[in-house]
Amino acid sequence: DVKVTQSSRYLVKRTGEKVFLECVQDMDHENMFWYRQDPGLGLRLIYFSYDVKMKEKGDIPEGYSVSREKKERFSLILESASTNQTSMYLCASSPQREIIDTQYFGPGTRLTVL
Amino acid sequence: TQLLEQSPQFLSIQEGENLTVYCNSSSVFSSLQWYRQEPGEGPVLLVTVVTGGEVKKLKRLTFQFGDARKDSSLHITAAQTGDTGLYLCAGPPILDNQGGKLIFGQGTELSVKP
Repeated sequence: DVKVTQSSRYLVKRTGEKVFLECVQDMDHENMFWYRQDPGLGLRLIYFSYDVKMKEKGDIPEGYSVSREKKERFSLILESASTNQTSMYLCASSPQREIIDTQYFGPGTRLTVL
Repeated sequence: TQLLEQSPQFLSIQEGENLTVYCNSSSVFSSLQWYRQEPGEGPVLLVTVVTGGEVKKLKRLTFQFGDARKDSSLHITAAQTGDTGLYLCAGPPILDNQGGKLIFGQGTELSVKP
């Protein structure tokens, strides 16, 4: 059974803190994605990766960075959290680099920045 | 910029009613996917439509891809409370589809009341 897990379901941080969100998939997928989800805006792509150590900017990369040191793990980093980064963060994976396929999502991390 | 516009954004109906959700774009998509997201969970794929004019049925859900592949609809017959959730359409960008990227619509929040 396909599984994408995220390190936390809920997270509360203070402005200026460094925040790490971890995502792990157990399906040997090549592609991994980080989205943020805000009401009325749908899912917006922050970063994605199609291979270990590879990363590509999505539509809203400002204020974020990512790391993919192992195929199964994709981390999202907020270097200095700000209140406008309060959101739901969703991680997803899909099987192969240039093939449009199902994206499998984790349950999400609801991040609140105070 | 390719966009997917969903309508309506919110829909509240009584159990047993029928409804249609629309996903429109000015751009052609090679395929469109529909996801459902239940509260507290990540989106889960319902269906992928690939051919212009294609109709797919999933129990009480009927999905249609427009002839010109610029739009899609989701029709639910005799809605049940279990259909409550956020419905998202998504499709691959034409010019930049490396890494299996998808563009998502902003979603339709459906509430089915008993």
